[in-house]
Amino acid sequence: EPEVTQTPSHQVTQMGQEVILRCVPISNHLYFYWYRQILGQKVEFLVSFYNNEISEKSEIFDDQFSVERPDGSNFTLKIRSTKLEDSAMYFCASSKTGTGYNEQFFGPGTRLTVL
Amino acid sequence: DAKTTQPTSMDCAEGRAANLPCNHSTISGNEYVYWYRQIHSQGPQYIIHGLKNNETNEMASLIITEDRKSSTLILPHATLRDTAVYYCISQAVDKIIFGKGTRLHILP
Repeated sequence: EPEVTQTPSHQVTQMGQEVILRCVPISNHLYFYWYRQILGQKVEFLVSFYNNEISEKSEIFDDQFSVERPDGSNFTLKIRSTKLEDSAMYFCASSKTGTGYNEQFFGPGTRLTVL
Repeated sequence: DAKTTQPTSMDCAEGRAANLPCNHSTISGNEYVYWYRQIHSQGPQYIIHGLKNNETNEMASLIITEDRKSSTLILPHATLRDTAVYYCISQAVDKIIFGKGTRLHILP
């Protein structure tokens, strides 16, 4: 069964450093998402991406964040200058369609630890 | 904020049916009811969704009331592996707004 994959599974970085989290969505999916979950808290929407552009972003997704689909398979989340409060699990998700019927498939997550 | 309300936690004996309620009294006509679950530290997993008819798949059944203001997710024969946080979501757009969900404990 096709699945969303994410690398690395765990990333440790120093505050102020740039990190890139990578995701390979399911191959025939057109919509891509990033969510994060701070330890012990709810899963929070960050951004959705369709047709090579951001379709929606949350207040969390400020200028320090960016997303890119550099080729036909990868979908990346970049944090330019990490802060301690960026420590969280980051989940990538993909879906075939957007509005309405919209089953999202989530990856296993990348645990980001900012020291 | 999430537009659904769910009990914070529930217990269910292994092998019995787990019935998880959800209130979505402000749901609008074009919004689906979705259920996802999150097993500890894993990514959320889709379970089932419906608009107004009851639905069943290999994982669960979804019962939606006629007025669509509430629903129940049924896991017919709960196992220890069903221990997770279960999220009920009503949405018509792409992003998922997760609430706190129901923490389901399956008791041996």
